Amino acid sequence: GAVVSQHPSWVICKSGTSVKIECRSLDFQATTMFWYRQFPKQSLMLMATSNEGSKATYEQGVEKDKFLINHASLTLSTLTVTSAHPEDSSFYICSASPLAGDDGELFFGEGSRLTVL
Amino acid sequence: AQRVTQPEKLLSVFKGAPVELKCNYSYSGSPELFWYVQYSRQRLQLLLRHISRESIKGFTADLNKGETSFHLKKPFAQEEDSAMYYCALILWNQGGKLIFGQGTELSVKP
Repeated sequence: GAVVSQHPSWVICKSGTSVKIECRSLDFQATTMFWYRQFPKQSLMLMATSNEGSKATYEQGVEKDKFLINHASLTLSTLTVTSAHPEDSSFYICSASPLAGDDGELFFGEGSRLTVL
Repeated sequence: AQRVTQPEKLLSVFKGAPVELKCNYSYSGSPELFWYVQYSRQRLQLLLRHISRESIKGFTADLNKGETSFHLKKPFAQEEDSAMYYCALILWNQGGKLIFGQGTELSVKP
C-alpha cells in the first residue's frame, strides 16, 4: 500500500516556540492531505485539509494562525504549531490519498507526538 | 449534521467469543463507511470498507441504512484483535475528508 511518513516522530519544545511537522507521501502524489489531532485513546479530530498550491481549509474552532499549514508540493505538507503552549501537546497525524485513488481510502502517517513544556 | 457515533469506549471479551463493535452514523447523503484499526504503537490502517463487502481478518460489517448503522462483527475473537477500532464516514461533498467516531478499544483476554 501507499506510504505516508511524518517527521519528527517525537518533539519536545519550550512554551512559546514554534514547531514544524512534515508529512510526506513517499510513493504517490496527493493534491490533498488531512491533518488530525488525537488525544490518548480518543478519536481523531480533523483539524484541516491541506490543498496543494492553495490555502488550507480549517475546521471550525481550529485557529489558522496557530496551526499554519503549507502544502508546497504534491508529496509534502507541513504543519507548524506557532507559539506552542502546553495545551497544544498532542499526537498529530496526517493522512493522504493517491491522486488516482477514488475509493476514499486514506493512508496515515505514523504520527508526531508533541510535548510542550 | 454528519456524525459518527461509537457508543462503547471499551469492549472486553474472552478469546473465542463473538465480538460486535457498534457504529451509528448521521448523514444526509449516500453514506460510505470504513472501519480503521490502530494496533498498539502502530499507525492507523484500513480494516475494511462497506462498498467492497469484504471480510478482513475474519471481520465483517454490513451497512444498514434503515438503522443508520455499520457494526463490525467477528464470530470468534483472537488475542491479536486487541486494538482501537474507529468507524469513519467519508464526506465526498467536502473534499473527501473522513470523520471518525470516538473509537472503541477492544480487549481480547486469553
